[in-house]
Amino acid sequence: DVKVTQSSRYLVKRTGEKVFLECVQDMDHENMFWYRQDPGLGLRLIYFSYDVKMKEKGDIPEGYSVSREKKERFSLILESASTNQTSMYLCASSFSGLRNTEAFFGQGTRLTVV
Amino acid sequence: QQQVKQSPQSLIVQKGGISIINCAYENTAFDYFPWYQQFPGKGPALLIAIRPDVSEKKEGRFTISFNKSAKQFSLHIMDSQPGDSATYFCAASLDGTSYGKLTFGQGTILTVHP
Repeated sequence: DVKVTQSSRYLVKRTGEKVFLECVQDMDHENMFWYRQDPGLGLRLIYFSYDVKMKEKGDIPEGYSVSREKKERFSLILESASTNQTSMYLCASSFSGLRNTEAFFGQGTRLTVV
Repeated sequence: QQQVKQSPQSLIVQKGGISIINCAYENTAFDYFPWYQQFPGKGPALLIAIRPDVSEKKEGRFTISFNKSAKQFSLHIMDSQPGDSATYFCAASLDGTSYGKLTFGQGTILTVHP
């Protein structure tokens, strides 16, 4: 059973803090993603990684960075948290191949920046 | 830019009725169209997916209808049940070259009344 685990369900951080969101998957997936979910906007891709140490910007990368030092772990970093980064953050993973396969999501981290 | 547009934003259906959610996409190169279901407090989970070589795919009470010329696809939930109450997201992706990146619609909150 595929499992994608995000380290925190809820986080409250202060403006200007550096914030780390951690995600671990246990199915040896090559691809990992960070999405942001906001009401009325759906899920928007922040960053993704298709291999260890490889990363690509998504649609809304500004204010974020990522790290993938091990295949199973993908971290999202908010360099200096701002109130407009208050949101639900979802990590996902999938196998890599010629045809896209199911993406498995974590339970989400609800981040509030005050 | 919103490459996948989803409607309606919210939908209320009586038990036993048919729920219909529509999506339209812009990028004609998209070739994988999944629907994800999200319950409160959970991450999205794959419900059903289709590729453009077929016009319809059915799994139990859930059917995707696909219209390539109109660049539209829709989810039909037959005999809707209160347990189907959730948020539904359509998505689109490119096989092979996109590393499994998904472009999501805005989401539809479905409420099925008993």
